[in-house]
Amino acid sequence: AQKITQTQPGMFVQEKEAVTLDCTYDTSDPSYGLFWYKQPSSGEMIFLIYQGSYDQQNATEGRYSLNFQKARKSANLVISASQLGDSAMYFCAMREVYTGNQFYFGTGTSLTVIP
Amino acid sequence: EAQVTQNPRYLITVTGKKLTVTCSQNMNHEYMSWYRQDPGLGLRQIYYSMNVEVTDKGDVPEGYKVSRKEKRNFPLILESPSPNQTSLYFCASIAGEGEQYFGPGTRLTVT
Repeated sequence: AQKITQTQPGMFVQEKEAVTLDCTYDTSDPSYGLFWYKQPSSGEMIFLIYQGSYDQQNATEGRYSLNFQKARKSANLVISASQLGDSAMYFCAMREVYTGNQFYFGTGTSLTVIP
Repeated sequence: EAQVTQNPRYLITVTGKKLTVTCSQNMNHEYMSWYRQDPGLGLRQIYYSMNVEVTDKGDVPEGYKVSRKEKRNFPLILESPSPNQTSLYFCASIAGEGEQYFGPGTRLTVT
């Protein structure tokens, strides 16, 4: 089974609108971390946001927030007030802490912001 | 400035010719990792190291070797590269909770 599933290969959003990128995960590890990364067309990988499995509140970093629903095993990224510079690939990732400390990435969602 | 450096950035080689991709970090992180990125597959972990002299296999270790003789360096070795190892490779240095600092990537082509 896939550890991280991103079901939206491509998404479009109007500039200044909000957009949600979906991510579901699969783990039996009681302690894990969830991450989102951005990869612009230039290729570098940029860390956006982190959520720990024991965190009670959803993580936020500026215009980024992580909608963490533990029971549903989902960790959706919400980008508010989209900007043209948000056009990029977005990857969801998970770290299993107790079962080996490996990282798992999803296949990514390509976001295009339309002016 | 906190950074992860990788060299070379681009490499075209032939099947069977041993190569090493270097990775170095200046953040004193214990955890370092290598990934390969292929279209439609996202990033897959090749090997990782939680500390000096400690390395573990990720999801796709076949055909690769690593070493961690000092904290700052984590080279990736392809003893006998094959065309299916043509990919974009990223080294990462990982801070406490798991925030990853990625190198700029190495685009490898094996003919």
